[in-house]
Amino acid sequence: GEDVEQSLFLSVREGDSSVINCTYTDSSSTYLYWYKQEPGAGLQLLTYIFSNMDMKQDQRLTVLLNKKDKHLSLRIADTQTGDSAIYFCAESVSAGNKLTFGGGTRVLVKP
Amino acid sequence: GAVVSQHPSRVICKSGTSVKIECRSLDFQATTMFWYRQFPKQSLMLMATSNEGSKATYEQGVEKDKFLINHASLTLSTLTVTSAHPEDSSFYICSARDNRGGRTDTQYFGPGTRLTVL
Repeated sequence: GEDVEQSLFLSVREGDSSVINCTYTDSSSTYLYWYKQEPGAGLQLLTYIFSNMDMKQDQRLTVLLNKKDKHLSLRIADTQTGDSAIYFCAESVSAGNKLTFGGGTRVLVKP
Repeated sequence: GAVVSQHPSRVICKSGTSVKIECRSLDFQATTMFWYRQFPKQSLMLMATSNEGSKATYEQGVEKDKFLINHASLTLSTLTVTSAHPEDSSFYICSARDNRGGRTDTQYFGPGTRLTVL
């Protein structure tokens, strides 16, 4: 079955870069997503990457995908206090299909 | 944009009662919606896939008679927790698949409903 793993916690200083890592086991994963969840709220889609891509950049966010190692990372440049949240990576085999989520990484940005 | 709403945002009920949660796609039609459950400090677990006009597909271990799903229109899916018990207390989140032309068939999530069963 599918399995998605993330580290539990990341602490970073305001203005520094944050890197959140994720590994997955399903080699047929085609779409990989990063979602942000603030306290008591739903999930906000941040970005996604197709499995045939190595990198995708969107403003402060950079996604790197190592398909061989099944490793996905999200880099947040110039991290702000508003970036404090839980970040989930997720994968699906086909677009819009059911998502398998990692356990979430809680990011704390210190001033 | 793609906005998904849920109602209510928070509900407290007595054990044994039934609770209905609505999920609406506000600016797009969604033939497919998903219901997730999230326990405190844990990840989201898919409960079921809701398809407009047909029966929902439940994940293994989810009781379909306990969690009734109705997807009666292209913009509304409902989840009814029947005969709720304290162990059903959780954060329920829905998502809707936006498959309008040119989009990535991405799922957009509602804000969640926190259910507390006393």
